Amino acid sequence: DADVTQTPRNRITKTGKRIMLECSQTKGHDRMYWYRQDPGLGLRLIYYSFDVKDINKGEISDGYSVSRQAQAKFSLSLESAIPNQTALYFCATRGGVLNTEAFFGQGTRLTVV
Amino acid sequence: DQQVKQNSPSLSVQEGRISILNCDYTNSMFDYFLWYKKYPAEGPTFLISISSIKDKNEDGRFTVFLNKSAKHLSLHIVPSQPGDSAVYFCAASASYGQNFVFGPGTRLSVLP
Repeated sequence: DADVTQTPRNRITKTGKRIMLECSQTKGHDRMYWYRQDPGLGLRLIYYSFDVKDINKGEISDGYSVSRQAQAKFSLSLESAIPNQTALYFCATRGGVLNTEAFFGQGTRLTVV
Repeated sequence: DQQVKQNSPSLSVQEGRISILNCDYTNSMFDYFLWYKKYPAEGPTFLISISSIKDKNEDGRFTVFLNKSAKHLSLHIVPSQPGDSAVYFCAASASYGQNFVFGPGTRLSVLP
């Protein structure tokens, strides 16, 4: 099983619908992140959480919200999806020690029509 | 304005030759740098990292060079193999903030 699991892997939704992307991890890491990938823009940070009681906005948080249900679970919600939120979304985790790498899930391809 | 830049969107190299992927950054507070590799339909996977106290880090066929004065790093792959064909992301972080900033990626194609 993957260390970082994202569900669903693919989703097509209509404009205005609410959608939740889920992420769970078995690495025991406190830090969790949500990124989106767009062509030519790389990975941009949406939200991050350093522990269950800590939620922080990233570079592009508008239109998104998150919930850290447990150390191992971090979900991303689009309250009212719009077409320019069509992207590849990645969840990542990282240990609490300085200068360590992040581990990514396999991604969720979201299409808003 | 992008803090981490990868100015070559794509690169093609012959199998067995050296691949050199470049990355430039603007934030002088960055002190930890990583390279990630991404295959289609998969998440990015960590490849190699370097701390600002070093100017070179090597792991098998992969070597990362850091030139702090030029705010430039590069990833060398020698020899290149077809399985190295992927998108490579450069990422940087500052110890105080610890969030990574990613470049836009370079698509490497290694031709047999």
